[in-house]
Amino acid sequence: EAGVAQSPRYKIIEKRQSVAFWCNPISGHATLYWYQQILGQGPKLLIQFQNNGVVDDSQLPKDRFSAERLKGVDSTLKIQPAKLEDSAVYLCASSRQQETQYFGPGTRLLVL
Amino acid sequence: GESVGLHLPTLSVQEGDNSIINCAYSNSASDYFIWYKQESGKGPQFIIDIRSNMDKRQGQRVTVLLNKTVKHLSLQIAATQPGDSAVYFCAENIGNQGGKLIFGQGTELSVKP
Repeated sequence: EAGVAQSPRYKIIEKRQSVAFWCNPISGHATLYWYQQILGQGPKLLIQFQNNGVVDDSQLPKDRFSAERLKGVDSTLKIQPAKLEDSAVYLCASSRQQETQYFGPGTRLLVL
Repeated sequence: GESVGLHLPTLSVQEGDNSIINCAYSNSASDYFIWYKQESGKGPQFIIDIRSNMDKRQGQRVTVLLNKTVKHLSLQIAATQPGDSAVYFCAENIGNQGGKLIFGQGTELSVKP
């Protein structure tokens, strides 16, 4: 069974630029999560989807972050405009309904 | 507020010894706990989980212990190997929040050959 796929693996941008990350979950997993992991810390949930609907986006900075999962499979996370403090690893995870979450390799973002 | 914390940020053990990584959680409503292993440059990898109706669960070389009285979770790794070197996170799932995981800070395990 293929794992969670993410791209790109690395991204370097300047502050105020825009960036987008893509995630393809494990086949059949209805629930998809985006996490932000700052260096030296545990992952922090940004947004959770159940199929194509948002379950929890309470910790998503909605003034600059947006995410969608239009067809209930792949998802994109966008930051516009980026700030220096957005430098982090962005992890995507998926699960069957709301059981064990399996993580992708992450996208490492550096904002200069 | 909600928090999951680890007692020790780093742990160094000799190859072949047993390792014990501890975790404290604060939310009594948490009903599901997971340990993840994260190697440098990779995403967290599922190791073992335990539900709140259990106090012990064993896997291959790993055991998780749950003490709900003192809100404490531990991960025991038997015969630690160099490949076990990584950061270990505990995470709690609060039962009425739809699968949301709260992660702790992490413990870095270093295995000396």
